[in-house]
Amino acid sequence: QVQLVQSGAEVKKPGSSVKVSCQTSGGTFSTYVISWVRQAPGQGLEWMGGIVPVLGTANYVQKFQGRVTITADTSTSTAYMELSSLSSEDTAVYYCARRGDSYGAEYFLYWGQGTLITVSS
Amino acid sequence: DIQMTQSPSTLSASVGDRVTITCRASQTLSGWLAWYQQKPGKAPKVLIYKASSLESGVPSRFSGSGSGTEFTLTIGSLQPDDFATYYCQQYDSYPYTFGQGTKLEIK
Repeated sequence: QVQLVQSGAEVKKPGSSVKVSCQTSGGTFSTYVISWVRQAPGQGLEWMGGIVPVLGTANYVQKFQGRVTITADTSTSTAYMELSSLSSEDTAVYYCARRGDSYGAEYFLYWGQGTLITVSS
Repeated sequence: DIQMTQSPSTLSASVGDRVTITCRASQTLSGWLAWYQQKPGKAPKVLIYKASSLESGVPSRFSGSGSGTEFTLTIGSLQPDDFATYYCQQYDSYPYTFGQGTKLEIK
């Protein structure tokens, strides 16, 4: 059974950076896209980007381009999302998510538990 | 980017009702559309993938249909556990995008 376990909640100052981890177990890590999805309080879901760990290349939503970096460590089956230049608008729950195993299953079958990032002075 | 528009934003219904949520895409999709259910404080859970395929373990009262730019999620007979927020998502092309959500409330 695939499980994604994320790092804990953090409070950050405006202008700082945050790095959230997502450790996976079960299933295959290296060849399947790991995505990051965020949800501001009371708002909907927003895909930020994703990475294929074995390739090390990431796709980002243009909105976050230049501020977000998604990386992966295949030796520990852990993906990371780092967001810089934080503002109060970045206060949200950040989820990592993985696609299904079968052909074409690019939807998000497996999810982490979410990490609340609060940006406050 | 493909914009996904859900309607209605809020839906009030009773246990036993049949309800339908609609999702419209700004461009034609090749069927790569998923529906998720989310409860407060929890991660989303996939219900339907490839527009009409029921994810393993999901009750058969959930069904999806549609093609092109218009898709629907139908819940055949509402159960108490179904009151939640529902999202559609296209995974046809990057960037993946979600609808704004439909909150299903108890009438």
